Amino acid sequence: DAKTTQPTSMDCAEGRAANLPCNHSTISGNEYVYWYRQIHSQGPQYIIHGLKNNETNEMASLIITEDRKSSTLILPHATLRDTAVYYCIVRVTGTYKYIFGTGTRLKVLA
Amino acid sequence: SAVISQKPSRDICQRGTSLTIQCQVDSQVTMMFWYRQQPGQSLTLIATANQGSEATYESGFVIDKFPISRPNLTFSTLTVSNMSPEDSSIYLCSVELEVNQPQHFGDGTRLSIL
Repeated sequence: DAKTTQPTSMDCAEGRAANLPCNHSTISGNEYVYWYRQIHSQGPQYIIHGLKNNETNEMASLIITEDRKSSTLILPHATLRDTAVYYCIVRVTGTYKYIFGTGTRLKVLA
Repeated sequence: SAVISQKPSRDICQRGTSLTIQCQVDSQVTMMFWYRQQPGQSLTLIATANQGSEATYESGFVIDKFPISRPNLTFSTLTVSNMSPEDSSIYLCSVELEVNQPQHFGDGTRLSIL
């Protein structure tokens, strides 16, 4: 079973920040949180990952709570091209394996 | 990151036939993975394919149905054998370049069985 839970869907107005939450309450101390998105008919695209500290790159920011039981992916200025399914992933403990949950279907509205 | 090429990108096949999907990476990688994505669903891991060892299959997937080859550090194949309409899915490969670094995915092979 997936180690993460996410809302099924979200809407966001174009130009606004999109905040996508993820719960991973069973995460272990040395497990990273990875975020991907999948645009229709493409493979999942890596966005960002983190362990404890907040992270930022050219695509997004990742905020991880102090207890590491949840995180939020922030797209600071959503565009129509950000419409996709977003997956939050924690590996199966002690392995390289990803278990994908159902993800959040983000729709950016004009 | 890595550039991953999958062939074919799509195919339509007859029931009972087999199809081999190729995954080529532009750098040497130890860890390669094969996933299936059924229509409207999330990704499910089929197997882990490490060079120099037998593939490790997940529950519900067997070698007779999904044989995998990993002849070197840049290439792998997945065969979907004796296909039925239930095998209609997108099949994706991914690679991991270093421990705890993110996996990178190909764009998948969209397979339809008539």
